[in-house]
Amino acid sequence: KNEVEQSPQNLTAQEGEFITINCSYSVGISALHWLQQHPGGGIVSLFMLSSGKKKHGRLIATINIQEKHSSLHITASHPRDSAVYICAAGSGSARQLTFGSGTQLTVLP
Amino acid sequence: EPEVTQTPSHQVTQMGQEVILRCVPISNHLYFYWYRQILGQKVEFLVSFYNNEISEKSEIFDDQFSVERPDGSNFTLKIRSTKLEDSAMYFCASSGQGDTQYFGPGTRLTVL
Repeated sequence: KNEVEQSPQNLTAQEGEFITINCSYSVGISALHWLQQHPGGGIVSLFMLSSGKKKHGRLIATINIQEKHSSLHITASHPRDSAVYICAAGSGSARQLTFGSGTQLTVLP
Repeated sequence: EPEVTQTPSHQVTQMGQEVILRCVPISNHLYFYWYRQILGQKVEFLVSFYNNEISEKSEIFDDQFSVERPDGSNFTLKIRSTKLEDSAMYFCASSGQGDTQYFGPGTRLTVL
């Protein structure tokens, strides 16, 4: 069974700061997902990656398969980035995801 | 942009009652999922569904739970006899050939 750990649990930043959220997993995976959960509870998929790096706007996700580690970076953070960021691991051919506990990000103006 | 929809947004029920949570996945998607999130806890996988049958299920998904795709558009989760500990947010998701899953807004289930 895959264990997914995220750090930090809580993160407060000033607007404009560079943000990094980390995720590690215990078992080899087929894909690593980064999700954003809004205060109302809705979940949005940000990235799915199995190797290397992906970028979308101010968000960058990287994964190191050998080290079983992924990071989500936010450049030039903004208060609207405030949300819970969750990583989730999919193993083998399974589409079953194992979720981390999330990182609560608060960006202050 | 296509999206996954769920109804109702909030369901309140008495312990022991049956509830059906409804989801309309994105129309050309092939894989469907249910997840739950107990307040303050991690999101947990319940079940995945493909080609009109369950493809995977977690330990949580016991005989009290069932899923169905009764027509070409709806995907339902039934809890036969609700318990207090079933109170949670239930998320439906769907995916196409790729692995990216698109989540619905969730149904908050409160069991009294």
